[in-house]
Amino acid sequence: EVQLLESGGGFVQPGGSLRLSCAASGFTFSSYGMIWVRQAPGKGLEWVSVINGAGDRTNYADSVKGRFTMSRDNSKSTLSLYLNNLRVEDTAVYFCAKGMTGWTNKIDSWGQGTLVTVSS
Amino acid sequence: DIQMTQSPSSLSASVGDRVTITCRASQGINTYLAWFQQKPGKAPKSLIYDASSLQSGVPSNFRGSGSGTQFTLTITSLQPEDFATYYCQQYNSYPITFGQGTRLEIK
Repeated sequence: EVQLLESGGGFVQPGGSLRLSCAASGFTFSSYGMIWVRQAPGKGLEWVSVINGAGDRTNYADSVKGRFTMSRDNSKSTLSLYLNNLRVEDTAVYFCAKGMTGWTNKIDSWGQGTLVTVSS
Repeated sequence: DIQMTQSPSSLSASVGDRVTITCRASQGINTYLAWFQQKPGKAPKSLIYDASSLQSGVPSNFRGSGSGTQFTLTITSLQPEDFATYYCQQYNSYPITFGQGTRLEIK
């Protein structure tokens, strides 16, 4: 059974940084692309970023490009999202999701999410 | 950017009803479309990919159809556990975009 467990969320002031992690199990981690999606309180879903299975190809939403960095450690089946220069509008629940192939935004499984709150 | 517009934004229905949610893309996306279900305080759940393929474990009363710019999610014979918010997502091109959601409530 696919399991995705996010961690690392919390409260941070504008301009601050956080590192989100997603621990994966139940599948061959390195074979699948991974995606981050966020959801601001009371709002809809917003795509954030994607990484391929090998970890050498990424793509980001314009709203986070240059501030967020996605990476993965296939030896530990762990996905990371580094959030820098955070803004109030980055406040959201961040979900990691599993892609259906090595490089895709087609999602089949989701983690439970981790809340990031950016406020002064 | 490709805009995804869902209609209606909300609807009320009864257990046993058949409902249809529409998702329209601002430009053609072939069949690169997925549908998700989300209940309050929970993670989304993947229902359909490639416009009409059912994810593993999803009941057969969920059906997706469409291609190009017009897509539908049909739920035949609504069950109590189907009341939730539904989102469509295009993965044809960057940036990946979602519809604004359709809230399905019990009448």
